[in-house]
Amino acid sequence: NAGVTQTPKFQVLKTGQSMTLQCAQDMNHNSMYWYRQDPGMGLRLIYYSASEGTTDKGEVPNGYNVSRLNKREFSLRLESAAPSQTSVYFCASLGSRAFFGQGTRLTVV
Amino acid sequence: GQQLNQSPQSMFIQEGEDVSMNCTSSSIFNTWLWYKQDPGEGPVLLIALYKAGELTSNGRLTAQFGITRKDSFLNISASIPSDVGIYFCAGRGNSGGSNYKLTFGKGTLLTVNP
Repeated sequence: NAGVTQTPKFQVLKTGQSMTLQCAQDMNHNSMYWYRQDPGMGLRLIYYSASEGTTDKGEVPNGYNVSRLNKREFSLRLESAAPSQTSVYFCASLGSRAFFGQGTRLTVV
Repeated sequence: GQQLNQSPQSMFIQEGEDVSMNCTSSSIFNTWLWYKQDPGEGPVLLIALYKAGELTSNGRLTAQFGITRKDSFLNISASIPSDVGIYFCAGRGNSGGSNYKLTFGKGTLLTVNP
């Protein structure tokens, strides 16, 4: 009954470092999403995966890559972090309704 | 691409007042969702709408799926202090690959004065 689980909850990176944000859902949903949330900007779609084996760019994909490892897991990777990627990241999973993880607060210094 | 306009951006009301907010889209959606987000938390689903004209309630909250399929409304009746937060609308597209996109409005910040 976990719903959508995101890790880590907090992360500080230096410019140029890489990291992967993990997301897993236990609701057997086909569609999964990664958003970033910045003050005054709402939730902006980075990448989404309509089903296992497919991924598509969203509104702000530059600087990110994703992997839909299996139906449960959808990871977001920053290959070379930049200060502009400081944000709160949310993973979501969609069946008839969309459910969100608790978020990852990322700071790039 | 799909764009959502959510209004108002913020509201300051007295406890007990009713609240209305809305979202309009440049394209047709086949699903509208309304969320509330508390500080430091992820968005939590309040109401989901699936058919044009649908009117759905969840306690003091009522939301409607506009007949044109390009808009949706959320009303909160008799507001209480715990209604404070950011409310987001979200729409899911209706054509081709964009059918799987879930697009969000920029949010309405609600403040309730006791």
